[in-house]
Amino acid sequence: DAGVTQSPTHLIKTRGQQVTLRCSPKSGHDTVSWYQQALGQGPQFIFQYYEEEERQRGNFPDRFSGHQFPNYSSELNVNALLLGDSALYLCASSSGLFGAGGEQFFGPGTRLTVL
Amino acid sequence: DQQVKQNSPSLSVQEGRISILNCDYTNSMFDYFLWYKKYPAEGPTFLISISSIKDKNEDGRFTVFLNKSAKHLSLHIVPSQPGDSAVYFCAASASGSGGYQKVTFGTGTKLQVIP
Repeated sequence: DAGVTQSPTHLIKTRGQQVTLRCSPKSGHDTVSWYQQALGQGPQFIFQYYEEEERQRGNFPDRFSGHQFPNYSSELNVNALLLGDSALYLCASSSGLFGAGGEQFFGPGTRLTVL
Repeated sequence: DQQVKQNSPSLSVQEGRISILNCDYTNSMFDYFLWYKKYPAEGPTFLISISSIKDKNEDGRFTVFLNKSAKHLSLHIVPSQPGDSAVYFCAASASGSGGYQKVTFGTGTKLQVIP
C-alpha cells in the first residue's frame, strides 16, 4: 500500500517564476492538506482540499493556489516566486475531514529553492 | 502569533531513561493535541494524540499528558531508545468553518538519545 507520494523531490526556481508541486494521497484517503515548512520551523498550514474544493486556508497570499482532481490527487501552485518561498512543502492526506484527532499521513515533501 | 510553542529546541537523554518533551499553547479552542515524529528526509509521522477532554493517553512507551488549566502538554517516552532520535512536533487542531479541522504545529524539539 503506497503512502503519500510527492513530486518532484527537489526543485530550483528563480524569483518571479511559477511552480507546480504534486501529491498523491494514501490509498483510501480523500482529503489533502498542504504545508510549508521553513528551515527551523514547524509546518505551516497552507490549505486543505476535500471533494475537489478548497475547504480551509491558512495565512498565505493568493499567489498560493491549489487543485484537487477526481482521483483525490492534488497540486500546489505558487506564482511570482519570492526568495522567502524557499522551503520544504509537505502534503498530508487523511480520510474524511481529518482523521480522528487530526491524524494525517505526510509525504516526504518537495524541497523548493528560489534563487 | 505562535499558538503552539515548543520552547526547547533540543534535548539529549541517555538510552533507557525517560524523555520528556514539552509544549505550550494559547488557543482555548483546540480540541485535539497530537505529537508527530520526523526523521531527516521524511515527512512527519503521527505518534499519539489526546482529546481536550482527557488528561492522559498512553500507547506503549509513549504517554501524553494534558494540563488544560496551564495550557500545557507533554510527551513522555519511557524507556528512551536510540531509534527515538528525531525531531518531535507538537500540534493542535481546532474545528474550522464547516467542521473541518485545522492543525497548527509547534517549531519542534530535536531529541537525541545517547546509547
